[in-house]
Amino acid sequence: QKEVEQDPGPLSVPEGAIVSLNCTYSNSAFQYFMWYRQYSRKGPELLMYTYSSGNKEDGRFTAQVDKSSKYISLFIRDSQPSDSATYLCARKGGAQGGSEKLVFGKGTKLTVNP
Amino acid sequence: DAGITQSPRHKVTETGTPVTLRCHQTENHRYMYWYRQDPGHGLRLIHYSYGVKDTDKGEVSDGYSVSRSKTEDFLLTLESATSSQTSVYFCANSQGYTDTQYFGPGTRLTVL
Repeated sequence: QKEVEQDPGPLSVPEGAIVSLNCTYSNSAFQYFMWYRQYSRKGPELLMYTYSSGNKEDGRFTAQVDKSSKYISLFIRDSQPSDSATYLCARKGGAQGGSEKLVFGKGTKLTVNP
Repeated sequence: DAGITQSPRHKVTETGTPVTLRCHQTENHRYMYWYRQDPGHGLRLIHYSYGVKDTDKGEVSDGYSVSRSKTEDFLLTLESATSSQTSVYFCANSQGYTDTQYFGPGTRLTVL
């Protein structure tokens, strides 16, 4: 089982919709979670970074971590066509050596239609 | 901004030939990484470096070697390219091991 599971989609929504992107992870020792956004033929760019449980908000984006269910989510409010991209969740952190390496989900491709 | 450039950005080569990809950073970040990205597999770590001449293997290191003779440069070498190494290769850096990683623009490699 891959350490971070992510539904690859694709996901297509109309402009203005609320988007929910989700990942699950297997090791409860993971502490740090990230969301990266990757536009077509570009490198991933960091979007959100959260530690442990709870919510973190940045403009239209909210990252949520639920450690009890090992679930991480990214919500996009008032989605825009410019949000069309692939979204990658990632984890790092843990008690043992080697687990500090970044491990990515496979990414969810999102299209926001005007 | 990662301050990372990768060269070449595109390369087509033949099976069995050696290939070297270059990653250059403008910052003085200690950690640098090489990933490959493939459909159905996502991003996977090949090798990383934690200082000049200090490197370690990642998840998919077979068939790849790396070198770091200067802080700003991290080279990825395919000694004898195979078709299974056709992929998009990304370089990344971070200030510390637990710090956020920032990615370069990628190199698209095709091995025929």
